[in-house]
Amino acid sequence: DIQLTQSPSFLSASVGDRVTITCRASQGISSSLAWYQQKPGKAPKLLIYAASTLQSGAPSRFSGSGSGTEFTLTISSLQPEDFATYYCQQLNSNPFTFGPGTKVDIK
Amino acid sequence: QVQLQESGPGLVKPSETLSLTCTVSGGSIRSYYWSWIRQPPGKGLEWIGYIYYSGSTNYNPSLKSRVAISVDTSKNQFSLKLSSVTASDTAVYYCARVSQYYDFLTGSYSYFDYWGQGNLVTVSS
Repeated sequence: DIQLTQSPSFLSASVGDRVTITCRASQGISSSLAWYQQKPGKAPKLLIYAASTLQSGAPSRFSGSGSGTEFTLTISSLQPEDFATYYCQQLNSNPFTFGPGTKVDIK
Repeated sequence: QVQLQESGPGLVKPSETLSLTCTVSGGSIRSYYWSWIRQPPGKGLEWIGYIYYSGSTNYNPSLKSRVAISVDTSKNQFSLKLSSVTASDTAVYYCARVSQYYDFLTGSYSYFDYWGQGNLVTVSS
C-alpha cells in the first residue's frame, strides 16, 4: 500500500494568514493526488485534483502543487470558513489511501 | 446538480452483514465509477472500494474478503454489503462519485467529486 503522511497534523493560524500543508507519499504517484476539506459532521469536499487542478466552485485562494512523492496545499489568505480538517488522497494505485489529516484551527 | 444519499440501518449486530444503499439523483449512474468510503468516529478516512456502472469492481485488499458492491442502473443506485462485522466496523459510511480528468500529455487522474452526507453505522449487540 502507498502510505501518505501529512505535516503538520495540527496548525493554529489567524484570518489572513498564508497556510501550507504538505503531503508525502511512500512511493511515486505521479500527479494522482486530491485534496479534500472536511468540517465537523459533514462529508469531505473536493478542493484540488490531479495535484494542482482547482475543482469548479472551490475558492481561488486554494492551490495545489507537486508531483511524485511531495505535494502541497496552500491557502493564500485564510478565511473564517477555512477552519477545518484537510486530507490528501492518492488515486494512483489500489488501495486509494488517504493521509491522516491536518486540522486547521483558529489562533 | 448531482446528489447522493446513503440509506440503511444505523445499528448492526456483531457477526451480521452491514447493508447500505446509495441513491444518485440529478444525474445518471451510467458512465461513472462509484465508491464507498468510511470514517470511524474521530478518525480518518478509509476507501472501501468502487464499482463501474457496468458492474466491474475493485476493493481495498484489507476488506476484500468481506465486501461486495453492486449496482442497479434501473434504480440509479449502488449498494454496499460488509459481512461478519465487528465493533471496529463502526463508522460513518459515505458514498461518492468517481470522476476522471484526462490530460493529453500525462494521462488520466481520478477524484471523488460528489459525496453523500454519510450514514453512521454502529456495530453493537
